[in-house]
Amino acid sequence: EPEVTQTPSHQVTQMGQEVILRCVPISNHLYFYWYRQILGQKVEFLVSFYNNEISEKSEIFDDQFSVERPDGSNFTLKIRSTKLEDSAMYFCATQTGIRNGYTFGSGTRLTVV
Amino acid sequence: ELKVEQNPLFLSMQEGKNYTIYCNYSTTSDRLYWYRQDPGKSLESLFVLLSNGAVKQEGRLMASLDTKARLSTLHITAAVHDLSATYFCAVEPEEYGNKLVFGAGTILRVKS
Repeated sequence: EPEVTQTPSHQVTQMGQEVILRCVPISNHLYFYWYRQILGQKVEFLVSFYNNEISEKSEIFDDQFSVERPDGSNFTLKIRSTKLEDSAMYFCATQTGIRNGYTFGSGTRLTVV
Repeated sequence: ELKVEQNPLFLSMQEGKNYTIYCNYSTTSDRLYWYRQDPGKSLESLFVLLSNGAVKQEGRLMASLDTKARLSTLHITAAVHDLSATYFCAVEPEEYGNKLVFGAGTILRVKS
């Protein structure tokens, strides 16, 4: 079964540093998402991305966050200046089309120290 | 603000028993998803419920959707230890665009 691959699986970074989280979507999927889950809490929507632009973003997705699909394959989430409260599990999700099922990646655990 | 409420948030049950997890949501939607999450792992899709009255079953789990009541249930039959995990429902609201809004999750512990 096709998978959504995320790298790295775990990243530890110092507060104020930039991090880039990477996602390789399933090849025929066109819609891409980032969600995050703070330890022990619910999963929260960050941003959706289609046709090389952001479709929607949540209040969490402030100016410190950005997404892009630079080479047509990887889908990345960048956090410019990490804060302690950015520590969470970040999940990439993809879809073939609107209102189709979502496939979640394995996640990246980000720890900001 | 769209709300998705699950209850109970924590469920400890004996093997062999039955129980139901409830998911209420506050907006119109005809799509509801159930996911399972093991500790430190990703979200595993269990069920996608696409219309009012939809019922799906897989093994000891059965999910249903009542869009008029804005309620979904996940019923566990004759629980086994392997079902221990956190279960999330997620709603794809019609008017909020293409995204999932998750409930807080139900931590299920099945005791041998």
